[in-house]
Amino acid sequence: EVQLVQSGAEVKKPGESLKISCKGSGYSFTSYWIGWVRQMPGKGLEWMGIIYPGDSDTRYSPSFQGQVTISADKSISTAYLQWSSLKASDTAMYYCARQPTVTPLVDVWGKGTTVTVSS
Amino acid sequence: QSALTQPASVSGSPGQSITISCTGTSSDVGGYNYVSWYQQHPGKAPKLMIYDVSNRPSGVSNRFSGSKSGNTASLTISGLQAEDEADYYCSSYTSSSTLLCVFGTGTKVTVL
Repeated sequence: EVQLVQSGAEVKKPGESLKISCKGSGYSFTSYWIGWVRQMPGKGLEWMGIIYPGDSDTRYSPSFQGQVTISADKSISTAYLQWSSLKASDTAMYYCARQPTVTPLVDVWGKGTTVTVSS
Repeated sequence: QSALTQPASVSGSPGQSITISCTGTSSDVGGYNYVSWYQQHPGKAPKLMIYDVSNRPSGVSNRFSGSKSGNTASLTISGLQAEDEADYYCSSYTSSSTLLCVFGTGTKVTVL
C-alpha cells in the first residue's frame, strides 16, 4: 500500500526550532515529488514548497521562501519540513503530499502533523 | 501569487446539481490544462476528486465532473448526497510562482 506517514503532533514555544517528517512507503520514493501544504486553523490550503528526493530539486512558494527549509533523505524515504525559529503564526496543520510531477496533482496525502506554537 | 478565487459557499438539496467555480488568470487556470480539485471533510486530509481539468481518479464517483472555460474552471457535483458536504479546493499550475502551483480560496458545500 502506498502511504505517507507523518510524525506526531508538536507543541513548541516561540523561538524554538522544529523538524517534522513524512515517510513514504510502498513506492519508489525517489520518483515522485513531495509537497508540503499548510492549513491554518479554520483556513484554506496553501502550497509551501516541493522537493524531488531523486535529486533534491526544491522549490518554495514566495510566501514561505526563507521561512522554512524542505529537505529529504532518500536513504530512509523521508522528507522533512523545518523551522529554525517558530512563531505563533506557524500554528497550523501541515500535510505532506505525493505529486507525480510539479503539476498540482496530489495522489497521496499524509494525515497531517499539527504544530502548535504558544508561550 | 494570489490564490484562485472560489465562492465561499454553495448549497443544494439532495439530488440536485451544483457547480463550484475557480477563477484565475491566463498565467494559471487559463494557460494550462492542469487544474485539480480536492474534497476535504472536517479533520481529514484532502482527497483528489478531479485532475488535469476533467479527469477522475479511480474510485471517485462519476457524479463529480470538471471543466474549464477561459480563465475559469468548474467542478460540478450531480445527484448531490449528504456525504458530499465538505470543503472543496481547486488548484492550478501557474507560471507566476517559483512553486508552480496555487490553491483556490476554498468553497464550503452544504447539503440542505
